[in-house]
Amino acid sequence: AQTVTQSQPEMSVQEAETVTLSCTYDTSESDYYLFWYKQPPSRQMILVIRQEAYKQQNATENRFSVNFQKAAKSFSLKISDSQLGDAAMYFCALGAQKLVFGQGTRLTINP
Amino acid sequence: EPEVTQTPSHQVTQMGQEVILRCVPISNHLYFYWYRQILGQKVEFLVSFYNNEISEKSEIFDDQFSVERPDGSNFTLKIRSTKLEDSAMYFCASSEGWGLSGNTIYFGEGSWLTVV
Repeated sequence: AQTVTQSQPEMSVQEAETVTLSCTYDTSESDYYLFWYKQPPSRQMILVIRQEAYKQQNATENRFSVNFQKAAKSFSLKISDSQLGDAAMYFCALGAQKLVFGQGTRLTINP
Repeated sequence: EPEVTQTPSHQVTQMGQEVILRCVPISNHLYFYWYRQILGQKVEFLVSFYNNEISEKSEIFDDQFSVERPDGSNFTLKIRSTKLEDSAMYFCASSEGWGLSGNTIYFGEGSWLTVV
């Protein structure tokens, strides 16, 4: 069975600072995708970034980047220059089509 | 940018009533999904649908649930006899392809179902 664990229920960061959200996972598959989704108070699920497991290069999308450590089964999200609009619940997810989600990390941005 | 749309955004229903949640997936997408998120909990996979049939379903998706693509654009989730524990946010999602082919699942804004 595939599992995803987010060990930080809540995180906070000062505006303009950098924050890293942790995610570990377990799977017996050799090829898979990892995702970070953002869920603001509106509760919509918004894709933040995607990483293919067969690619060694870490994915980057503007201020968002990941640190993918395949051997350690770790997939952390780094948000640089945090903005007030980044405040949300962040979910790590594993899979290709049937996604398995972590419990989420609530990120607060302090002005 | 194309998006998945869902209706209603919020529905309150009496226990035992039937509910139909509707979704319009992104137009060129071929794979459709329903996920559920009970308040304060993680998002859970319910079912995937392709070529007018269920391709995979979770143990949550029991006989009370059904899905249908009644026409070329809508994708529906029906709950036949709602229970209090069905109260949750239901997300519809779609993707262009299947498997490790570079496709991403895009989610709708969700339909919040409250069973009283």
